[in-house]
Order: sequence, then structure tokens, then C-alpha cells
Amino acid sequence: DAKTTQPPSMDCAEGRAANLPCNHSTISGNEYVYWYRQIHSQGPQYIIHGLKNNETNEMASLIITEDRKSSTLILPHATLRDTAVYYCIVRLGYNDMRFGAGTRLTVKP
Amino acid sequence: DSGVTQTPKHLITATGQRVTLRCSPRSGDLSVYWYQQSLDQGLQFLIQYYNGEERAKGNILERFSAQQFPDLHSELNLSSLELGDSALYFCASSAEGGRELFFGEGSRLTVL
Repeated sequence: DAKTTQPPSMDCAEGRAANLPCNHSTISGNEYVYWYRQIHSQGPQYIIHGLKNNETNEMASLIITEDRKSSTLILPHATLRDTAVYYCIVRLGYNDMRFGAGTRLTVKP
Repeated sequence: DSGVTQTPKHLITATGQRVTLRCSPRSGDLSVYWYQQSLDQGLQFLIQYYNGEERAKGNILERFSAQQFPDLHSELNLSSLELGDSALYFCASSAEGGRELFFGEGSRLTVL
């Protein structure tokens, strides 16, 4: 599976959009991009995934560049409860899911 | 509530001992994954089972073993415990053809 690179930490003001970047320059054509988050020491929570097209659900939007070498997770209106570690993962098929270090997002009042 | 149940939630034991962590996946989920998360560390993938068979192995120590039973629940056995084995152990499950992993709340192991 391709490796991902994320900034170690980011801040965001409450009510503003949080844009979390992820680089995956070695992604192959049939690898999916997944985003999970972990709030404190809770079990990770699935957010969204995509292959080529942009995706949106009730939690977030996923923007994947045309060359698929990077993506951005967008939380449209961040709240204090969105403070968490966000993981970007590239996964082939139904292989095991391997987490990197992630981005620690802090939403500030 | 993800539907994945892990027991026990907390466990304190001594070095050299052996413990078993149990995971009940969501109803019908065939795949089970185990992860270890030490203090302030990332999630380390240990092992994956699919319908009773080992599918993938990650950074799992030889002192650790796992299995998935016919009823699809899984157990992670940790033996000859060391202080460094203190961690949160997460189990996750996924459905056949499902891309999303559902995580349990974890079992916190403390080795004294």
C-alpha cells in the first residue's frame, strides 16, 4: 500500500472550515484513500473514503486531486468536538488498514 | 456504539504473566483486525483474520498470538508480558465487501 504524509498538527478556529491535507504520491490506480479520526483514546472512527471522485457525507468532504497524488479532508464547520487525530490511509482492496502518525487537529474557540 | 465489543475494558497484570483479550465483531462481519496503541503512539497493526483464517500479519510479536473462532469472535493472547506491552489494544471488524472498519472501545492493558 502507498505511504501517506500528513502535517503533524494543525489548528482551526471554531466554526471555520478545517482543511486537512494528505500526500500520497505513490498511490496506485486501484488504491482507495480513507480518512479516520481518533478522539482522545477512543477507538478510531471512520469518516470517509474515495477512489477518484470527490466525496461528501454528513461528516466531511474529501477532495482528491486529478492525479490522485494528494487529497484534502474538509470539515465544513469545525466544532470543539472535532479536536482529534486525523489519519489519512491508502489501502489496496480489502487489505489490512495501516495507520500512520496522522494530524492532530485542535479546534480553538 | 460501533457494534464491536471488547473485553475486558481494563486489565492490570504483572510482568511474565499471560492475558487474553476478547473481541466480538459486529453481527455478520467476517474480518477482524487487531491493533496496539502504546502511550502517545500511533496505531500499530498486529493481525487480521477473515472467516477464521489469518489474512495479514503486521508488527505482532512472537509472544502474541490470535485466532478467530467459528462464531467469528476473536481472541488476542499476550504472553510473557513485559512493561512495554502496556497499551490500548483495539479490535475492529468489517463486513464482506465492506470498506469501513468499525472499531471497539479498546482494552487497556497495564503491566506492572
